Amino acid sequence: DVKVTQSSRYLVKRTGEKVFLECVQDMDHENMFWYRQDPGLGLRLIYFSYDVKMKEKGDIPEGYSVSREKKERFSLILESASTNQTSMYLCASSVVRILMGQPQHFGDGTRLSIL
Amino acid sequence: DAKTTQPNSMESNEEEPVHLPCNHSTISGTDYIHWYRQLPSQGPEYVIHGLTSNVNNRMASLAIAEDRKSSTLILHRATLRDAAVYYCILLISNFGNEKLTFGTGTRLTIIP
Repeated sequence: DVKVTQSSRYLVKRTGEKVFLECVQDMDHENMFWYRQDPGLGLRLIYFSYDVKMKEKGDIPEGYSVSREKKERFSLILESASTNQTSMYLCASSVVRILMGQPQHFGDGTRLSIL
Repeated sequence: DAKTTQPNSMESNEEEPVHLPCNHSTISGTDYIHWYRQLPSQGPEYVIHGLTSNVNNRMASLAIAEDRKSSTLILHRATLRDAAVYYCILLISNFGNEKLTFGTGTRLTIIP
C-alpha cells in the first residue's frame, strides 16, 4: 500500500515564526499536493508539484511556499505564521500525470495551531 | 469548476447495503468521478473512481448514470468501521491543473 507520512500529527507555533511541514511518500509518485482543511470549507489546495524542483500554485497559495528537492519529499513552508493559518494540513501524492484520473493518497494530516 | 451535490447526512443499519447519491449535472465529458471517505482524525482515503462504466473494487461499487449527471456509491454490507464522511468529487482530466475539489460530503452514521 501507498504510504504518505507527515512529520507531525500536532504542532503548536507562535505568530511570526517560520514553520516547516514535511511530507514523504514511498511509492515513487511524481505528483504531490498540499491541502488545508477547515470546518465548513472542506479541503482547499495550497500548492502542488508534478516533478522535482517544480511547483504550481493551487487555490490559496498566499502566505505559503513549497520545496521539492527530492521526488519523495514535499515540504510546505509558512514564511511568517499567522493565526489564520491555524488548520489541519494534508499532504497527498499520485502517480504520473499522463495516467488521468488516478487517485490521490493522503497522509493523516498535521493539526497546526498558531498562537 | 464542475460541482457535486450530496446529502449532508445519512443513516444506515449495520450489515445492510448503503447507497450514497451524488449529483454532478455540470460534469464534462472527460471528468472522472472520484469517491473518498474520511474517518475521524485521519486523512481522506480513496474509495473508488470511474469515468463512464460502473466499477467494482474490494471496498465498494460505483454506479454511474448513463448521462453521467449522477452517480451512486454502494457499500454492499455496512459495518461500524464504514462510519465516515464520504466525498464525491470530480477530477478534471487535463494535463496540468489536476486537482480534487472537495465539497462538504455526506456524513454516514451506521446504527448497530
